[in-house]
Amino acid sequence: GQNIDQPTEMTATEGAIVQINCTYQTSGFNGLFWYQQHAGEAPTFLSYNVLDGLEEKGRFSSFLSRSKGYSYLLLKELQMKDSASYLCAVSSGGYNKLIFGAGTRLAVHP
Amino acid sequence: DGGITQSPKYLFRKEGQNVTLSCEQNLNHDAMYWYRQDPGQGLRLIYYSQIVNDFQKGDIAEGYSVSREKKESFPLTVTSAQKNPTAFYLCASSNGLAGNNEQFFGPGTRLTVL
Repeated sequence: GQNIDQPTEMTATEGAIVQINCTYQTSGFNGLFWYQQHAGEAPTFLSYNVLDGLEEKGRFSSFLSRSKGYSYLLLKELQMKDSASYLCAVSSGGYNKLIFGAGTRLAVHP
Repeated sequence: DGGITQSPKYLFRKEGQNVTLSCEQNLNHDAMYWYRQDPGQGLRLIYYSQIVNDFQKGDIAEGYSVSREKKESFPLTVTSAQKNPTAFYLCASSNGLAGNNEQFFGPGTRLTVL
């Protein structure tokens, strides 16, 4: 079967660093996406990894290990506005099919 | 501004009624998708379309229907055959079907069936 696992909830302090993990088992792999979704709103794109290693984009970084079926999203210098759900999704199959994890709800407190 | 619009944002229907959710994009994207999001679950693919007049079933197509008569539009009909239609529905589009193509999402429609 196809499965993506990520923690349900995390909490962190403003200004700190948090790492959100994602493990996956899929029949195909065309890359891994991270999306941010505020409650009741559309998911917005954060990052895409297809090769092993770290991709850095401002305060956000994403890491991929294809051999381990593992990725993480690293958020630095946390701000209150970073309180949201973070969705891990694997592109699998011939039509850009995205398989989503259930999302990790991050709460940032002062 | 380019983007994806969905209407309405909130929709209430009585059980047994069909309802159509609108999705329009002006990004000139070929591919469009419909997802359903339920609490505690990941987004699940209902239907997708690669090109005008062509669409394919996703993982949970039963009780839903779509059309793709124009490149910009991909409406979703939730029929009375859908056993549990109350959910948050998201439309997305991408510039092709290659695996590295980011999907852009609309603001969503929250459907409640009474």
